[in-house]
Amino acid sequence: QKEVEQDPGPLSVPEGAIVSLNCTYSNSAFQYFMWYRQYSRKGPELLMYTYSSGNKEDGRFTAQVDKSSKYISLFIRDSQPSDSATYLCAISEVNDYKLSFGAGTTVTVRA
Amino acid sequence: EPEVTQTPSHQVTQMGQEVILRCVPISNHLYFYWYRQILGQKVEFLVSFYNNEISEKSEIFDDQFSVERPDGSNFTLKIRSTKLEDSAMYFCASVGGGADTQYFGPGTRLTVL
Repeated sequence: QKEVEQDPGPLSVPEGAIVSLNCTYSNSAFQYFMWYRQYSRKGPELLMYTYSSGNKEDGRFTAQVDKSSKYISLFIRDSQPSDSATYLCAISEVNDYKLSFGAGTTVTVRA
Repeated sequence: EPEVTQTPSHQVTQMGQEVILRCVPISNHLYFYWYRQILGQKVEFLVSFYNNEISEKSEIFDDQFSVERPDGSNFTLKIRSTKLEDSAMYFCASVGGGADTQYFGPGTRLTVL
């Protein structure tokens, strides 16, 4: 079983829609949860970071973690064409910053 | 805002040649990483480096790979004898200074012919 599973999509939504992205993980030792955005042939850019179950909001972005189900989500409200990118979930253990990445979900927001 | 930088942005080399990829992490960071991403695949951990030594490496990081922090600012990844399958984007990342997560550089695209 892969450590981190993420639906690669692609996902195409109209401008203004809510984008919902998900990852599941298998290792209970994972305690830090991150979402990165990656544009084509660029480095991952940190969007959100959390280490507790529940929701964390930052502007139009909400990260959600359910440790009991080993399930994390990212929601993008009022999506814009500039949100078109690949979104990567990344997870690490306590005291080990090494990241395990999901495959990435490619999102296209249509104007 | 401080950022991780990498040079070159694109490196083309012949199979069997040595390459050195360079990174300048964020200045007060203490932990350094290399990852790679083969086109269309997920980002994979290669190696972590702390206190001037390797702290962890993946099975990908074999004897052909080495890392070095030659001075107080640079962090390098050397591939001694490149293979076709080494063609990928290589990302440097760093952590530290109170941050709990990694900040990535823009990457070096390595093409092995």
